Amino acid sequence: DAKTTQPTSMDCAEGRAANLPCNHSTISGNEYVYWYRQIHSQGPQYIIHGLKNNETNEMASLIITEDRKSSTLILPHATLRDTAVYYCIVRPEINNNDMRFGAGTRLTVKP
Amino acid sequence: DAGVTQSPTHLIKTRGQQVTLRCSPKSGHDTVSWYQQALGQGPQFIFQYYEEEERQRGNFPDRFSGHQFPNYSSELNVNALLLGDSALYLCASSLLDSYTEAFFGQGTRLTVV
Repeated sequence: DAKTTQPTSMDCAEGRAANLPCNHSTISGNEYVYWYRQIHSQGPQYIIHGLKNNETNEMASLIITEDRKSSTLILPHATLRDTAVYYCIVRPEINNNDMRFGAGTRLTVKP
Repeated sequence: DAGVTQSPTHLIKTRGQQVTLRCSPKSGHDTVSWYQQALGQGPQFIFQYYEEEERQRGNFPDRFSGHQFPNYSSELNVNALLLGDSALYLCASSLLDSYTEAFFGQGTRLTVV
């Protein structure tokens, strides 16, 4: 079973920041928070991951609370092409484990 | 550099038949994982292959089997197809024991009628 909890759906206005929350209260000390997204009819796409410090890349920012029990993915200027299902996953960083996906958050960016 | 490629893209099979799906990993990757994604749900882990051996397995029956070849490509076989096997089957490749992210293919849409 997935170890994360996310809202089922969210809307965001085009050009505004999209803030997607994720709860992972049972996260272990060696587990990272990963975010993937899946645009309709495509495979999931990696966005970002982090351990405890905030992370930023060209796609998004990841804010992890100090107790690491929750995090927020931020898309700073959402576009229509960001409409997708966003998955929050916790796992060790090293690629020797499967990924446990939940149902994710369906983000709809509206014009 | 080609990413993860899967074939075929779509497939229709009859209940009781057998199916084979194929995956070529991203160049440089040595590990292949397979996932099943039913409509409206997140991907569910089936199994992972490394060095031609099954390393991990999710909660799927023995009807689901796989293989990895020396060139790291992989096949997923499903026997005695059920209507409930209709789903998008995703392949993900990665480099074992590395910090790089996993890359997914576009998937194979299997419909069992």
